[in-house]
Amino acid sequence: GNSVTQMEGPVTLSEEAFLTINCTYTATGYPSLFWYVQYPGEGLQLLLKATKADDKGSNKGFEATYRKETTSFHLEKGSVQVSDSAVYFCALRANFGNEKLTFGTGTRLTIIP
Amino acid sequence: DAMVIQNPRYQVTQFGKPVTLSCSQTLNHNVMYWYQQKSSQAPKLLFHYYDKDFNNEADTPDNFQSRRPNTSFCFLDIRSPGLGDAAMYLCATSGDRDSQETQYFGPGTRLLVL
Repeated sequence: GNSVTQMEGPVTLSEEAFLTINCTYTATGYPSLFWYVQYPGEGLQLLLKATKADDKGSNKGFEATYRKETTSFHLEKGSVQVSDSAVYFCALRANFGNEKLTFGTGTRLTIIP
Repeated sequence: DAMVIQNPRYQVTQFGKPVTLSCSQTLNHNVMYWYQQKSSQAPKLLFHYYDKDFNNEADTPDNFQSRRPNTSFCFLDIRSPGLGDAAMYLCATSGDRDSQETQYFGPGTRLLVL
């Protein structure tokens, strides 16, 4: 079946540090890949997505590249801010008769001033 | 702004007392989803509607039901809430079921069962 494996958290970084959150997936066919962010007490917001191999999604300084050869979709940001503190979920949506998002377990990120 | 709205944001109910959570959308999307998210866990899909067609996940308990009276509204009914049903309930929509379609989430309703 489809699955997403995400970097274990929590992750604590200092402001302006470089961020990488690893995400790998298992799926049949060519899934679409997503990163969602969840701020405390709120629902999920789409951060970025990529729908085919080698696509790069980007938003608010975050980037992730769809790597089919390594089945990965790692999230990166060059300089994090305190306001980036949240839980980040990697997710996939398969394209063979399966409509649901399959989520990773989430990575809690805390940025210290 | 077009959006997904959930009411109420917080809901307290008693053990065994039926409760209904509400979701509305101004995106005119065909598909509406209900997810359950327990503390520190990933969201888990309960069911979805594609237009008027209801699609239940195999492991969703019978205690959970849903109604979609029109395109804009979708309700989650919990017939007899147990303590284990305390969670955040997230409504989401997408334009279609194609894998490339983004799912847009509402802010969630946090349910507390006493």
